[in-house]
Amino acid sequence: DVKVTQSSRYLVKRTGEKVFLECVQDMDHENMFWYRQDPGLGLRLIYFSYDVKMKEKGDIPEGYSVSREKKERFSLILESASTNQTSMYLCASATPGVHNEQFFGPGTRLTVL
Amino acid sequence: KQEVTQIPAALSVPEGENLVLNCSFTDSAIYNLQWFRQDPGKGLTSLLLIQSSQREQTSGRLNASLDKSSGRSTLYIAASQPGDSATYLCAVRRGGADGLTFGKGTHLIIQP
Repeated sequence: DVKVTQSSRYLVKRTGEKVFLECVQDMDHENMFWYRQDPGLGLRLIYFSYDVKMKEKGDIPEGYSVSREKKERFSLILESASTNQTSMYLCASATPGVHNEQFFGPGTRLTVL
Repeated sequence: KQEVTQIPAALSVPEGENLVLNCSFTDSAIYNLQWFRQDPGKGLTSLLLIQSSQREQTSGRLNASLDKSSGRSTLYIAASQPGDSATYLCAVRRGGADGLTFGKGTHLIIQP
């Protein structure tokens, strides 16, 4: 079974802090994704990566950056956390190609005070 | 811009009923469509994936159909059980390596 793990289930940070959210997958997937989920807005794509050191902006990249130094690991970085970044963050991975089903991690609920 | 709509937003039915969840999307140029289940406070579990060239997929009591030309998909759940209670999300993929565009989900409650 594909396993996608996220470093924390719950995280509380202060406004202005630099925040790292880590995601690791164990199935050698080329593609990895970061989404955020908010009540009333649903899930929205922040960034994705289709290879090591490659990244593409999703629908809501403002205030975020990403890093992919190794194939199995994809990090989401909040350079200066703000209260409007309080959300549930979900990481996913997938193979490219016809049967590219996305598999999700358990999520990190981030609260910025 | 692709938009995905799910109807109804919430549904409560007695155990044992067959039910249909609906999903529509505005741009028919999709790569595939995926149905997920999400339990409260948890991540997403993939239920079914339909490629753009396919019409339906089945897994156990679940059957998903796709009509790409009309921008619609349905998820059929047979003989519903209380354990099926969850939020069901529909998502379309825009390209081969691209991310998903999600609907806001249908919150399903199966009454024992």
